Amino acid sequence: NAGVTQTPKFQVLKTGQSMTLQCAQDMNHNSMYWYRQDPGMGLRLIYYSASEGTTDKGEVPNGYNVSRLNKREFSLRLESAAPSQTSVYFCASRPGQGVTGELFFGEGSRLTVL
Amino acid sequence: DAKTTQPNSMESNEEEPVHLPCNHSTISGTDYIHWYRQLPSQGPEYVIHGLTSNVNNRMASLAIAEDRKSSTLILHRATLRDAAVYYCILRPPGGKSGTYKYIFGTGTRLKVLA
Repeated sequence: NAGVTQTPKFQVLKTGQSMTLQCAQDMNHNSMYWYRQDPGMGLRLIYYSASEGTTDKGEVPNGYNVSRLNKREFSLRLESAAPSQTSVYFCASRPGQGVTGELFFGEGSRLTVL
Repeated sequence: DAKTTQPNSMESNEEEPVHLPCNHSTISGTDYIHWYRQLPSQGPEYVIHGLTSNVNNRMASLAIAEDRKSSTLILHRATLRDAAVYYCILRPPGGKSGTYKYIFGTGTRLKVLA
């Protein structure tokens, strides 16, 4: 059971570089999420997606773009990385609308921007 | 969005019960109360959720105050593996996109003493 898979697990960027974090889930879930977690802090929601082709802003969307490529994949792009975006990024998914169905998280992608 | 307030940290002795409190005085009638935990260097994992009634599962129990302005996560016998950050989250009804926003706070860091 792969669950939620994030790539890469580690990445170092220079200020101004761009990159895309990939997330894929094999649980046939409708909803997907991107969070960031700064050292010693809780998670903050960046973007989320109810289904293929739809995305919504979370708490901290500035500096990021997302693409819900298909039902399985939800990518997060940093167009011009800044040191303030140094963080651990978590992708999550859940089945969709309804009471039951908790969030399943990936293992995280650790990004350092120099 | 309604907010939750949790103590920053708590300690417990191994094999003793742990009561983790959460205040959510601005909760609306349709908000579900969810609990997640994050073990060191991992993504968060689901623990339990409820609306009005107390809930039990294999991991924990959730006690919800009658006025729903607070709740308590109960670990019946803490083990060293329960050392984690515990997040109390209010899940509002689905938005126009049909999915749910999960906003994490800073959580409670539980330390279990051997």
